Amino acid sequence: GESVGLHLPTLSVQEGDNSIINCAYSNSASDYFIWYKQESGKGPQFIIDIRSNMDKRQGQRVTVLLNKTVKHLSLQIAATQPGDSAVYFCADRAGYALNFGKGTSLLVTP
Amino acid sequence: DAGVIQSPRHEVTEMGQEVTLRCKPISGHNSLFWYRQTMMRGLELLIYFNNNVPIDDSGMPEDRFSAKMPNASFSTLKIQPSEPRDSAVYFCASSSHHSGNTIYFGEGSWLTVV
Repeated sequence: GESVGLHLPTLSVQEGDNSIINCAYSNSASDYFIWYKQESGKGPQFIIDIRSNMDKRQGQRVTVLLNKTVKHLSLQIAATQPGDSAVYFCADRAGYALNFGKGTSLLVTP
Repeated sequence: DAGVIQSPRHEVTEMGQEVTLRCKPISGHNSLFWYRQTMMRGLELLIYFNNNVPIDDSGMPEDRFSAKMPNASFSTLKIQPSEPRDSAVYFCASSSHHSGNTIYFGEGSWLTVV
């Protein structure tokens, strides 16, 4: 079946550097994409979303890029901080529910 | 603002016992989801309600699982009888067309069946 997947299961970055987390999706009918952050012992927390009629969206320190041609999504975190350490999930939606990838663990080192 | 509220946060139960997980969605949200998270399978959709009506329960593993939504502010997920392989984190989430259909998650119910 179609699924959303992540290229890198773990990512280690130094504090202050920029982080890029990548995601591939396969459902060409998906019209909405979202990134969640999950800290240990907590539920997924909304970070940023983007609709299929856009290719870039910026938030506070985060940017999501969407390349529909190659079905690729990325999350950029500027000036990564220790509090950014978590598992990051991308998800796509074609209909009502989200289809989640496996997640990427981001570790920020001092 | 109160988010999605789930209870219990943690539950340890013996195999064969009935487990009931509870959820209060965000006020005004008309869509409710139950997800299950495990290391092996990640986040899986179990069931989706819209306006209190189950729309898609194809993710419910088997007849031991059931979910209800008697009103707009309350839902339950029941496992009877529970088995060790049901051990997972169960998340409730809600969304609203008026809030752009962004799905907001609760903190989860951590279930261990021994």
